[in-house]
Amino acid sequence: QKEVEQDPGPLSVPEGAIVSLNCTYSNSAFQYFMWYRQYSRKGPELLMYTYSSGNKEDGRFTAQVDKSSKYISLFIRDSQPSDSATYLCAMFTGGGNKLTFGTGTQLKVEL
Amino acid sequence: NAGVTQTPKFQVLKTGQSMTLQCAQDMNHNSMYWYRQDPGMGLRLIYYSASEGTTDKGEVPNGYNVSRLNKREFSLRLESAAPSQTSVYFCASSDSGLLNNEQFFGPGTRLTVL
Repeated sequence: QKEVEQDPGPLSVPEGAIVSLNCTYSNSAFQYFMWYRQYSRKGPELLMYTYSSGNKEDGRFTAQVDKSSKYISLFIRDSQPSDSATYLCAMFTGGGNKLTFGTGTQLKVEL
Repeated sequence: NAGVTQTPKFQVLKTGQSMTLQCAQDMNHNSMYWYRQDPGMGLRLIYYSASEGTTDKGEVPNGYNVSRLNKREFSLRLESAAPSQTSVYFCASSDSGLLNNEQFFGPGTRLTVL
């Protein structure tokens, strides 16, 4: 079983929809939770990060962490075609140098 | 700032050939990483360098070697390429002073081994 599980999709939604992307994990030592966005044929770039449990909002994006359930989510409101990308969750214990990535969910927002 | 740069962008090799992938960063980061990305497998860490002069194995190091040439540059070498090494390779760097270990990625090298 992988340390981080993520549904690969693809997920296709109409423009303006609310999108929910999720990851589950098994290592209770993870403390930092990140979402990277990767456009086709590009490198990943950090979209948001949260520390421990709770919510964090940045514009149309909300990251949510539930450590008791080992479950994290990224919500995208009023989705746009420019949001079409692969979204990777990543986690870090706070020690060492390694991030643990999910496999990524491919999102397509259609006009 | 160019961020993280990688060369080449594309490469086709025959089985048994060797090559070196180059990576450089201009953000004065201490740590650098090499990943490979395959469909359904996500990003897998090959090697990393926590600081200049040190390198460590990641999840999938077999068939690869690395050199941390200086603080800016971190190269990945395939001594005898195999079809299983067909992948997209990403270099990344991070500032050890950041608590969340945010990593900055290069644009990737698409490698095909025939």
